[in-house]
Amino acid sequence: EVQLLESGGGLVQPGGSLRLSCAASGFTFSSYAMSWVRQAPGKGLEWVSAISDGAGNTYYADSVKGRFTISRDNSKNTLYLQMNNLRAEDTAVYYCARISRGWWVIYSLDYWGQGTLVTVSS
Amino acid sequence: SYVVTQPPSVSVAPGQTATITCGGNNIRSKSVHWHQQKPGQAPVLVVYDDSDRPSGIPERFSGSNSGNTATLTISRVEAGDEADYYCQLWDTSSDHVIFGGGTKLTVL
Repeated sequence: EVQLLESGGGLVQPGGSLRLSCAASGFTFSSYAMSWVRQAPGKGLEWVSAISDGAGNTYYADSVKGRFTISRDNSKNTLYLQMNNLRAEDTAVYYCARISRGWWVIYSLDYWGQGTLVTVSS
Repeated sequence: SYVVTQPPSVSVAPGQTATITCGGNNIRSKSVHWHQQKPGQAPVLVVYDDSDRPSGIPERFSGSNSGNTATLTISRVEAGDEADYYCQLWDTSSDHVIFGGGTKLTVL
């Protein structure tokens, strides 16, 4: 059974940093590209970033480019999101999701974690 | 970047058919995927590659994609289908995953 378990969320002040983790199990982690998606309170889904299976390629949403860094450790079956210079508008539940196939064209996000809440506030 | 439009809400009586659309310029040229999200839960993929269903998703869920509109159809709607539904696709011009704004399905 595919499982994705996010951690690392919490309350952080504007301008601060936070690192999210997503522990994967139930599939060959190193064979899949992965993604982060967030959802602000009461709002819709917003894609944040994606990373290829071997970690050699990444994509970022314009809203986070230059502030967030996606990475992965295939030896630990773990996906990361380093978030710097956080803003109030980054407040959201952050989900990790598995990309079913593709990289130069990303197809469906076929499994999602339960999410971790990040609150940016003074 | 590519813009997709979903109706904010759709209402349907139990047993009837719900149709949720995702509009975009020549969207037929893209693979469209649909996610269901119930309150307080993570999204679940219900249709991928326009019209395929993941294992475990009821046959009542189907999809199509033609012209400028992709459609998620839910037949014989049940109370448990009440949720937010999001279309998702890949925009090759911006190298971004795109989500529609979501449609809240209400079962009357």
